[in-house]
Amino acid sequence: GAVVSQHPSWVICKSGTSVKIECRSLDFQATTMFWYRQFPKQSLMLMATSNEGSKATYEQGVEKDKFLINHASLTLSTLTVTSAHPEDSSFYICSAQQTSGSTDTQYFGPGTRLTVL
Amino acid sequence: GQQVMQIPQYQHVQEGEDFTTYCNSSTTLSNIQWYKQRPGGHPVFLIQLVKSGEVKKQKRLTFQFGEAKKNSSLHITATQTTDVGTYFCAGPYSNYQLIWGAGTKLIIKP
Repeated sequence: GAVVSQHPSWVICKSGTSVKIECRSLDFQATTMFWYRQFPKQSLMLMATSNEGSKATYEQGVEKDKFLINHASLTLSTLTVTSAHPEDSSFYICSAQQTSGSTDTQYFGPGTRLTVL
Repeated sequence: GQQVMQIPQYQHVQEGEDFTTYCNSSTTLSNIQWYKQRPGGHPVFLIQLVKSGEVKKQKRLTFQFGEAKKNSSLHITATQTTDVGTYFCAGPYSNYQLIWGAGTKLIIKP
């Protein structure tokens, strides 16, 4: 099946620093990737939709200047958390959309655990 | 706005008992997807239902899509410890995105 990887798996950083998370579709091309945030015991919350070659579309309440998204190729999207603060600590998950015929399926990455001290 | 409600939030069962989670959408869905998230892991895609009244089985798991395409259920027969986790349903929102249910956590009683 389709595989999506994320790097790093976990990261600990100091408050005020920036962290970049990579999302890669390993065996298929994804025009569209999504970035989610998940708090403990809660469902995934969509942060933004990343479209290859164009600007990302952010959900209401998500600061685009804080969460920078770049989808430079059909297999790679990056999320940069700028000037991270402890409240940004969370589990960040990406997904890549694969289109087969009329069916779109999202394949999720393993997630990145971010801890901001 | 469009919502997908999922119940129950938690279900405690004895190993060997059955488990069911239900999803209801405020609008008709073109399809519904189910995911399983193991504790500490990421959601893994299980299945997608597209047709009205569709029923699909994966071993002990039975997935149903309602006739009106607004509700769906996942039923697990004779639960095992490997079934532990949170089960999410998700329906399409706009052309690209999924709107997620809150998830149902399956807990096996010791």
